[in-house]
Amino acid sequence: EDQVTQSPEALRLQEGESSSLNCSYTVSGLRGLFWYRQDPGKGPEFLFTLYSAGEEKEKERLKATLTKKESFLHITAPKPEDSATYLCAVPEEGSNYKLTFGKGTLLTVNP
Amino acid sequence: GAGVSQSPSNKVTEKGKDVELRCDPISGHTALYWYRQRLGQGLEFLIYFQGNSAPDKSGLPSDRFSAERTGESVSTLTIQRTQQEDSAVYLCASSYQGGRETQYFGPGTRLLVL
Repeated sequence: EDQVTQSPEALRLQEGESSSLNCSYTVSGLRGLFWYRQDPGKGPEFLFTLYSAGEEKEKERLKATLTKKESFLHITAPKPEDSATYLCAVPEEGSNYKLTFGKGTLLTVNP
Repeated sequence: GAGVSQSPSNKVTEKGKDVELRCDPISGHTALYWYRQRLGQGLEFLIYFQGNSAPDKSGLPSDRFSAERTGESVSTLTIQRTQQEDSAVYLCASSYQGGRETQYFGPGTRLLVL
């Protein structure tokens, strides 16, 4: 049973068209939720860590929010360079460091 | 400063051969992790090293997989008698300390077993 589910699997946007990616999790006693960006052929690049419901973090056109059961990554007025796979991860039950990753959302932003 | 580095970046091997993958963590990071990313799957935890503590090997998929770390520096992941299902990207990450610290990833080694 997946502990982390990301949706949609793929998303195509036009440049400037804002949208949101979803990450839902089933672990109890959340010890942090991590968002990463992964470009083709590269390792994941850290974006945000969220620890408690209601927390929000922003970086350029990205804003991550967290509730008790899910996180959203909001992308405002995206640009083609935002195209990447976005991954979310949570520590598995009973661990602080063993991250369980979702399968990711492949975002394509067309000019 | 320099990030996590991994070598080789790509490795093609024949079924049954042994391979060694290397990871250099960020300087000063005491914790080091190995993950595997298979096509269409999420990253899977393999092993965790923290300082001088015994490593957490609970994610290693079989006894063909092993890893070592020299002090708080370089780590080597070894896969013996490789199988085609071992084909994947092997990612190394490090963090300042263990626990809930953010993990920073290297570029990965792409392993193809023919």
